[in-house]
Amino acid sequence: DTAVSQTPKYLVTQMGNDKSIKCEQNLGHDTMYWYKQDSKKFLKIMFSYNNKELIINETVPNRFSPKSPDKAHLNLHINSLELGDSAVYFCASSPDRRSNEQFFGPGTRLTVL
Amino acid sequence: QKEVEQNSGPLSVPEGAIASLNCTYSDRGSQSFFWYRQYSGKSPELIMSIYSNGDKEDGRFTAQLNKASQYVSLLIRDSQPSDSATYLCAVTGGYSTLTFGKGTMLLVSP
Repeated sequence: DTAVSQTPKYLVTQMGNDKSIKCEQNLGHDTMYWYKQDSKKFLKIMFSYNNKELIINETVPNRFSPKSPDKAHLNLHINSLELGDSAVYFCASSPDRRSNEQFFGPGTRLTVL
Repeated sequence: QKEVEQNSGPLSVPEGAIASLNCTYSDRGSQSFFWYRQYSGKSPELIMSIYSNGDKEDGRFTAQLNKASQYVSLLIRDSQPSDSATYLCAVTGGYSTLTFGKGTMLLVSP
């Protein structure tokens, strides 16, 4: 069974559209994350939630809004998509906020045209 | 600004050789250090973690940490073509905020 899953795997959309990416983990972990990996492969934290509570919010445009309906799910909604949003978005989870051993989902490749 | 520096490579080694991957970090308060392996088009996979000075061995992998020099390395013994990937060094000093380096691409030739 997949530990951290994301949907969709690929997302191609036009500038200005709104889209969502979903993430689910079945590891029983308390903490979940969203990362962005750009074309130069640089992986950067965007958000972190612990038990549905936002604990990390890096400098990210407010067009990006995470939502955690429960501790097993963390979704990412992006409004008014821009060309620069094209990247691979990875969801990850860790047992709790003190554990730094994070497990990554398969990624969602977002292409904005 | 916390920084993690890695040589982007590619680092080319022949099959069976030892591959040595290096990483330096700027934040002296960093406490936990990780190596992730990322195959092309795939997600990062945790392969090693190290928390105290010295060496930590796991199979063909050895992580080395020197906090005084702010340096962490990964040695891969008996390198295999299947080890060809990008290796990401990650560092954290607090609650789960991992700072990643840009990764070193390793190419192991048969």
